[in-house]
Amino acid sequence: KAGVTQTPRYLIKTRGQQVTLSCSPISGHRSVSWYQQTPGQGLQFLFEYFSETQRNKGNFPGRFSGRQFSNSRSEMNVSTLELGDSALYLCASSERQGTGELFFGEGSRLTVL
Amino acid sequence: GQNIDQPTEMTATEGAIVQINCTYQTSGFNGLFWYQQHAGEAPTFLSYNVLDGLEEKGRFSSFLSRSKGYSYLLLKELQMKDSASYLCAVRDETGGSYIPTFGRGTSLIVHP
Repeated sequence: KAGVTQTPRYLIKTRGQQVTLSCSPISGHRSVSWYQQTPGQGLQFLFEYFSETQRNKGNFPGRFSGRQFSNSRSEMNVSTLELGDSALYLCASSERQGTGELFFGEGSRLTVL
Repeated sequence: GQNIDQPTEMTATEGAIVQINCTYQTSGFNGLFWYQQHAGEAPTFLSYNVLDGLEEKGRFSSFLSRSKGYSYLLLKELQMKDSASYLCAVRDETGGSYIPTFGRGTSLIVHP
């Protein structure tokens, strides 16, 4: 069974631009959650989607948004990029909503210049 | 909100036993998880505790005391490949929503 796939793996943007990251969960997993990982703050929860609906949301500004499609694939978008948005963005899938047994992808490393 | 504390770094010798502690404060505790993350790789799930006591899984064990807001991850027969960051995560249930919070991780260095 294929693991969680995230694209792109690396990207460089400039301040003010926007970015879209994609995540394909493990087949059969209906929950997808997103995390931001930085050396200073560690792993921080962004949001969780289940059955195309956002179920939980972390403490991030509205510039961070996401969606989930009917095939459980998910995208997250960050608009008006700031230097502080440089981070590793991890997607995790799970069979059920709210479970702690998460299967993480390799992440998308975003650098904002 | 939540507050999770774990040591920043620990070192141990190959073949030894190491205990990584995690303390937390939460208003709606709904489970504690441990993850392992090797440098440059994705975190991988190690263990889950929701009731007090010890959960054993091979060389790894995790303990939880809800009354003390305390957990530890015990690694036995350490191997070089166990050098990694170990993340403690607490799931908080508030108003029907489940929000996981991760600690900043403990970097474990295993030396020969």
